[in-house]
Amino acid sequence: GQSLEQPSEVTAVEGAIVQINCTYQTSGFYGLSWYQQHDGGAPTFLSYNGLDGLEETGRFSSFLSRSDSYGYLLLQELQMKDSASYFCAVRDSGATNKLIFGTGTLLAVQP
Amino acid sequence: DGGITQSPKYLFRKEGQNVTLSCEQNLNHDAMYWYRQDPGQGLRLIYYSQIVNDFQKGDIAEGYSVSREKKESFPLTVTSAQKNPTAFYLCASSPRAHTDTQYFGPGTRLTVL
Repeated sequence: GQSLEQPSEVTAVEGAIVQINCTYQTSGFYGLSWYQQHDGGAPTFLSYNGLDGLEETGRFSSFLSRSDSYGYLLLQELQMKDSASYFCAVRDSGATNKLIFGTGTLLAVQP
Repeated sequence: DGGITQSPKYLFRKEGQNVTLSCEQNLNHDAMYWYRQDPGQGLRLIYYSQIVNDFQKGDIAEGYSVSREKKESFPLTVTSAQKNPTAFYLCASSPRAHTDTQYFGPGTRLTVL
């Protein structure tokens, strides 16, 4: 079966750097995505890694190591508005090809 | 503005009643999805549709039904057969089926009393 593991909660202070890890077990693999969801809101797409290495988009970066079945989301210069849940997701390579989400990491940014 | 709309934001129903949640998109996307989210949990796929007049069961389809008569619309009916229907329901779409980038609506929080 497919499974993704992320820490349930992370706390950091404004201006700091935080890393949210995601390990996955899948029968096949296309790539790792990250979504952000503010409390009560809609998830929004942040980044996608199809190949090993680091992808940077402004203050956010995402990393993938396919050999380690591991990725992370790196948030720099944390702001209060970054307080949200962050989900990693992988696409099932089976017949349905559906997107499978982790249980999410709740990031609390403190002043 | 292009996007996905879901209505209503909050919905209350009595146990035993069927209820239909609306999802509309004007992004011209082929694929649409329904997810359920419970507190502190990830998103679980209920149903998905790759194209008009076609839909497939996801991981937790029991007690739910959908239709896809128009490209723009993908309503979800929560039936009385769903044992624990109180949850946050999210609709999403993507240009084609099962891409890694999906666009989500604001969600409907359903409470069954």
